Amino acid sequence: GQNIDQPTEMTATEGAIVQINCTYQTSGFNGLFWYQQHAGEAPTFLSYNVLDGLEEKGRFSSFLSRSKGYSYLLLKELQMKDSASYLCAVSDSNYQLIWGAGTKLIIKP
Amino acid sequence: GAVVSQHPSWVICKSGTSVKIECRSLDFQATTMFWYRQFPKQSLMLMATSNEGSKATYEQGVEKDKFLINHASLTLSTLTVTSAHPEDSSFYICSARSLAGNEQFFGPGTRLTVL
Repeated sequence: GQNIDQPTEMTATEGAIVQINCTYQTSGFNGLFWYQQHAGEAPTFLSYNVLDGLEEKGRFSSFLSRSKGYSYLLLKELQMKDSASYLCAVSDSNYQLIWGAGTKLIIKP
Repeated sequence: GAVVSQHPSWVICKSGTSVKIECRSLDFQATTMFWYRQFPKQSLMLMATSNEGSKATYEQGVEKDKFLINHASLTLSTLTVTSAHPEDSSFYICSARSLAGNEQFFGPGTRLTVL
């Protein structure tokens, strides 16, 4: 079966760095996405990785290792507005997105 | 960037009535649109995938006669919740994907409350 695993909840301090991990087992792989979702709102796109390595975009970076079925989202200089759920999703062989359950990130002052 | 709109953003209806939700891709042609449902504090649940001009593919457990999906053009898909019941109250989100891309662009969502 297809499976995406990520932690349910994480807590971090404002100004710090946090890494959210995602492991996956899917039938085929056409890229991995990270989305941010604030409570009561739709998801917004953060990053897309299809090749191994690190993609940096401002305070956010995303890493992929296809051989390990592993990705992480790295958030630096955390701000209170970063409190949200972070969703990992893998595009499978049919280009269908397989979603993780999301990681709720709580930022404390 | 690609923009997807949804209308209405929220709706309250009586039990037994039908509600139509529209999803539009504003600046690109969406060959595939997806409809999701999300209950409070839960993850996105894919309901169905629709390709322009063809019948939607429904996920297991989603009643196709209750959740009618029409994708008549490359920029518009509609979801009609027929004979709505209180348990259908949820946050309904659409997303759209162009032929050229792999990324899904999400609409802002529609919050449905059935009394």
